Amino acid sequence: NAGVTQTPKFRILKIGQSMTLQCAQDMNHNYMYWYRQDPGMGLKLIYYSVGAGITDKGEVPNGYNVSRSTTEDFPLRLELAAPSQTSVYFCASIGTGESYEQYFGPGTRLTVT
Amino acid sequence: KQEVTQIPAALSVPEGENLVLNCSFTDSAIYNLQWFRQDPGKGLTSLLLIQSSQREQTSGRLNASLDKSSGRSTLYIAASQPGDSATYLCAVIAGNQFYFGTGTSLTVIP
Repeated sequence: NAGVTQTPKFRILKIGQSMTLQCAQDMNHNYMYWYRQDPGMGLKLIYYSVGAGITDKGEVPNGYNVSRSTTEDFPLRLELAAPSQTSVYFCASIGTGESYEQYFGPGTRLTVT
Repeated sequence: KQEVTQIPAALSVPEGENLVLNCSFTDSAIYNLQWFRQDPGKGLTSLLLIQSSQREQTSGRLNASLDKSSGRSTLYIAASQPGDSATYLCAVIAGNQFYFGTGTSLTVIP
């Protein structure tokens, strides 16, 4: 299994541009999450999904959108990028067993200038 | 709202020392607690997961304990090594969401 994969690894955007961060998992996990991590601030939940076709907002959803058309993929869309969206973005998934152990992707480092 | 706190924010110890990292949470209605390690510029690697019905989990030199009633967890690292240098984060799951602490940055000095 590749686990949780994210693309791209790095990206620089100009203010007002849009982009999609890709996330995929090959473990047949139902639950998937998007977090952002700012220096010294811990991880903040942006959006999450409990299955294909079902998404919900987390703590910091403004400026982002998600979709979940398949179990494997959970893309995060940034519309009209702003400097405040400069951060490291992590995608994660949770298995369907009882433990709810969370698996993380390697992250996407985004800079908005 | 669940709040997760980790103390200390940074810790520096000489190689070989045993150490304890602390994690506290405000709402005891959690499903499980997970400890992660994060190396600079990297993603999170799961170290240990404790389900709410368990008191502790062990993996090699690592031992994590959970006291739900007091809202506390500790991560014990025995015989620390320079390769243990990293940021350690704890997270609790409640409902469908994980809540993360801000981490403890550990430096083990050779």
